[in-house]
Amino acid sequence: DAGVIQSPRHEVTEMGQEVTLRCKPISGHDYLFWYRQTMMRGLELLIYFNNNVPIDDSGMPEDRFSAKMPNASFSTLKIQPSEPRDSAVYFCASGRQEPYNEQFFGPGTRLTVL
Amino acid sequence: AQSVSQHNHHVILSEAASLELGCNYSYGGTVNLFWYVQYPGQHLQLLLKYFSGDPLVKGIKGFEAEFIKSKFSFNLRKPSVQWSDTAEYFCAVSGAGSYQLTFGKGTKLSVIP
Repeated sequence: DAGVIQSPRHEVTEMGQEVTLRCKPISGHDYLFWYRQTMMRGLELLIYFNNNVPIDDSGMPEDRFSAKMPNASFSTLKIQPSEPRDSAVYFCASGRQEPYNEQFFGPGTRLTVL
Repeated sequence: AQSVSQHNHHVILSEAASLELGCNYSYGGTVNLFWYVQYPGQHLQLLLKYFSGDPLVKGIKGFEAEFIKSKFSFNLRKPSVQWSDTAEYFCAVSGAGSYQLTFGKGTKLSVIP
């Protein structure tokens, strides 16, 4: 299995630009999670999907952030417009229903907003 | 709301020393507990997990953790660390039946050869 795939691995953009992060979960997994990791706040859950439906987006920081999952094999996290404080590593993770309540993480996208 | 506290921000050990990383959680119900490891420049990987049963859980690479319900703790241990264990370690909790993980801030472990 290829694992969770994220692209791009690194993104450098200027303030005000739109940023789109992409994730391909492990085939057969019905949960997908987006996390943000910063030095100050650690790992934060932004949003998660079950069977392509958003279940909880209470961690999404602002309306500038949006996430979609148009099908079982693809999800995007979009920031528009981006700001320097959005600089972080964004992880996507996927998982299956119980009994194996375990999340498999992708390699992350390191976002730098100048 | 659930929360996870990892007491040590940075631990420095010599090779062959024993390791114990503290983790305490706050949650009003049955929990699932996890330890993840993040090696430098890599993604998070699961070390071990506790769902139910024997409170002493064994994971990969010689790690183990003990769930002590009365203390709301899930400390990670390894009897003899290696240089390759240098990484950041995250404790996480979810409510039973819930898929939402709450992570601690992480403990960075540096092992000196």
